[in-house]
Amino acid sequence: EAGVAQSPRYKIIEKRQSVAFWCNPISGHATLYWYQQILGQGPKLLIQFQNNGVVDDSQLPKDRFSAERLKGVDSTLKIQPAKLEDSAVYLCASSSTGFTLHFGNGTRLTVT
Amino acid sequence: AQSVTQPDIHITVSEGASLELRCNYSYGATPYLFWYVQSPGQGLQLLLKYFSGDTLVQGIKGFEAEFKRSQSSFNLRKPSVHWSDAAEYFCAVGATSGGSQGNLIFGKGTKLSVKP
Repeated sequence: EAGVAQSPRYKIIEKRQSVAFWCNPISGHATLYWYQQILGQGPKLLIQFQNNGVVDDSQLPKDRFSAERLKGVDSTLKIQPAKLEDSAVYLCASSSTGFTLHFGNGTRLTVT
Repeated sequence: AQSVTQPDIHITVSEGASLELRCNYSYGATPYLFWYVQSPGQGLQLLLKYFSGDTLVQGIKGFEAEFKRSQSSFNLRKPSVHWSDAAEYFCAVGATSGGSQGNLIFGKGTKLSVKP
């Protein structure tokens, strides 16, 4: 089966600019996650979707981050405006059953 | 609150030597525990998981882990390390309360280097 697809792989922007990341989960996976992985740390959950509804967004900085999952399939994560501390790898994962997460290769964001 | 601690930031072992990566968790009930591996520029790949039953879990690539409730530990082991095992390893616990059921809480990772 095809894995979780993410794009772009790399993105460099200046602070205060906006950026968007895209994720296509494994076909049929109802649950989709966005994680932020800052250099030297483990991934941290930003938002969890079940189909097209939000299950948990308690750690999403809502003043600048937004995410949507239209039609319960693809998802986009947006940052506007970006700050230097947003430099990280953004990982998308999907799951058909609880706890068995499949991760994409991530998008590495550098904010200068 | 659930949490995961990986005490070792960086470990170097010689090729062919045995490996043990430490993981301690904080959780009130029986946890769901995982080990993932991440190679540079790649996403996370699941090595093994523990939900219940036999406390010694076998995974892919010759890895195993042992759940020890009394020590709140889930250490990862491999009897003979290969150069291709050089990567970063993450221990995680599954969140089972509140709205984030199914989410994973990760430790900070242990970077493994392998000497020829």
